[in-house]
Amino acid sequence: NAGVTQTPKFQVLKTGQSMTLQCAQDMNHEYMSWYRQDPGMGLRLIHYSVGAGITDQGEVPNGYNVSRSTTEDFPLRLLSAAPSQTSVYFCASSAQRNSPLHFGNGTRLTVT
Amino acid sequence: DAKTTQPNSMESNEEEPVHLPCNHSTISGTDYIHWYRQLPSQGPEYVIHGLTSNVNNRMASLAIAEDRKSSTLILHRATLRDAAVYYCILRTGNQFYFGTGTSLTVIP
Repeated sequence: NAGVTQTPKFQVLKTGQSMTLQCAQDMNHEYMSWYRQDPGMGLRLIHYSVGAGITDQGEVPNGYNVSRSTTEDFPLRLLSAAPSQTSVYFCASSAQRNSPLHFGNGTRLTVT
Repeated sequence: DAKTTQPNSMESNEEEPVHLPCNHSTISGTDYIHWYRQLPSQGPEYVIHGLTSNVNNRMASLAIAEDRKSSTLILHRATLRDAAVYYCILRTGNQFYFGTGTSLTVIP
């Protein structure tokens, strides 16, 4: 059982470039979410989705877009990368409103 | 402002109980209290969660104050594998709010 899979594991971008971080889960979870983790800080919610076709903003949504065309996939798009987006990004999913979150192993992104 | 506050670090001797505190004074009546832990270079791992009553599972116990403004994660016998950063989190609706976490060191 793969759980939550994030790709790539590492990425280096130049300022202004765009890219998509991929997240897929094979547990048929309705709820999916993206977080960023900066040094010395806890995780902060970027965007989340409660089902296919439904997305909403979290604490720090600026500079990021998401879509949810299928239950399995929840990609995170950086439209024009900035050095402030250097961070570790985690994707998580859960079955129901108050079920535990299952996290992927993260993508470490550096923007130069 | 952070919704939860935790000590930055704590130490425990191996095989001793550990009590990890968390303050969440602005909690609302429908917010769930979650605890996760994170090992280096890994995603957070679920530990336990609750609403009002104390909760027990195979990993830990969660003690919630009567006024719900604080909670304590209890590891009954710390092992070296319990060394991690422990996060106290409030779930408000569909959003999870992480604190900065407590780094637990387990001394052999």
